[in-house]
Amino acid sequence: DQQVKQNSPSLSVQEGRISILNCDYTNSMFDYFLWYKKYPAEGPTFLISISSIKDKNEDGRFTVFLNKSAKHLSLHIVPSQPGDSAVYFCAAKGGATNKLIFGTGTLLAVQP
Amino acid sequence: DTEVTQTPKHLVMGMTNKKSLKCEQHMGHRAMYWYKQKAKKPPELMFVYSYEKLSINESVPSRFSPECPNSSLLNLHLHALQPEDSALYLCASSQDLALEIYNEQFFGPGTRLTVL
Repeated sequence: DQQVKQNSPSLSVQEGRISILNCDYTNSMFDYFLWYKKYPAEGPTFLISISSIKDKNEDGRFTVFLNKSAKHLSLHIVPSQPGDSAVYFCAAKGGATNKLIFGTGTLLAVQP
Repeated sequence: DTEVTQTPKHLVMGMTNKKSLKCEQHMGHRAMYWYKQKAKKPPELMFVYSYEKLSINESVPSRFSPECPNSSLLNLHLHALQPEDSALYLCASSQDLALEIYNEQFFGPGTRLTVL
């Protein structure tokens, strides 16, 4: 039972354009959502997060949008840079523990 | 210091060996985690320690034995592993389990384990 889903295994974008990575979840108890970036042979790096009381959070080139009614969140990167090429994981948590449930990841390739 | 370090980076072991993975953080975090990640899969939680006490064990086989000697260190002792245990083992830490939601986990680079 995959509670957090990233339906696009890969995405290719031109440098300077917008990258939009999507994530869907099924558990309505989730109240905090995070995006991590992972380069090969490295651990995931925290990128940006959003709580369920908000619908948007912005940090520089990165913006996360949350649509609670649709149980959907997205990460927008603009402008995209070649250094953004990595696997992006969406993760969610809820309840008393800090247990993160990760999505399956989307491999983003930003073409120069 | 916002880094989580893990040693060794790579480990090859036989099914009869005993080895340990080590993780260290100096951010003053009181929650530490072990995750297992297989190729092309998301990280899966194995154990959570909170204030040096085991808080969550996600039904991990006993051939994996975690230990938290102090608030900065987390070990994972391995014994009699199977080839299917080959994976990337990630350690993470966060400020405090008890803090409400704003509690990002910071990951180390992982140990790539191969069991022959």
